Amino acid sequence: DIQMTQSPSSLSASVGDRVTITCRASQSISSYLNWYQQKPGKAPKLLIYAASSLQSGVPSRFSGSGSGTDFTLTISSLQPEDFATYYCQQSYSLRVTFGPGTKVDIK
Amino acid sequence: QVTLKESGPVLVKPTETLTLTCTVSGFSLSNARMGVSWIRQPPGKALEWLAHIFSNDEKSYSTSLKSRLTISKDTSKSQVVLTMTNMDPVDTATYYCARIDPQKYGMDVWGQGTTVTVSS
Repeated sequence: DIQMTQSPSSLSASVGDRVTITCRASQSISSYLNWYQQKPGKAPKLLIYAASSLQSGVPSRFSGSGSGTDFTLTISSLQPEDFATYYCQQSYSLRVTFGPGTKVDIK
Repeated sequence: QVTLKESGPVLVKPTETLTLTCTVSGFSLSNARMGVSWIRQPPGKALEWLAHIFSNDEKSYSTSLKSRLTISKDTSKSQVVLTMTNMDPVDTATYYCARIDPQKYGMDVWGQGTTVTVSS
């Protein structure tokens, strides 16, 4: 199975900060990489699909980049509602796998 | 409006079989390349994909849980069913179903989740 790693596992940031989260796949997954946001007690929400495409309704401060094995989720200016846990997920393989998550909290 | 809703027991005993149902609305399970996944999340832990099924009845399972899982669908009832055998306390988790968008290969709509506790 394809293993996904994320870094950092957690970070503290302030409103207005630029935040970058990295996701790495154990083998090339082309651009079959999605990003999700999850708030406590809620279901995950799709933010970015196909590595860099913004899901409908998601604010433009969220962006994704990368291909192959290395990917990045960037929040250009962190807002109060963005404090959450972020997961990457590969859909290259029929056996989907998620990363371990990155928790973004308030500094 | 696309919605998915999970249902099933809140509490199961060790060694029992868990049966969860995902009832969908706003789309058809027979739509070309449409799929539904099951994902779980133990308390305080990460998401874990379990299985998915597509409109052509193609199925895939988590390698580590494959021997215990069965996924099926009833298109006429707009339901996807997941069974997990030989439940253990470590299977205590919130179980989600989610739609797989055939254009995006992402899970674009999720159910609210159902919490299952395994305890005697």
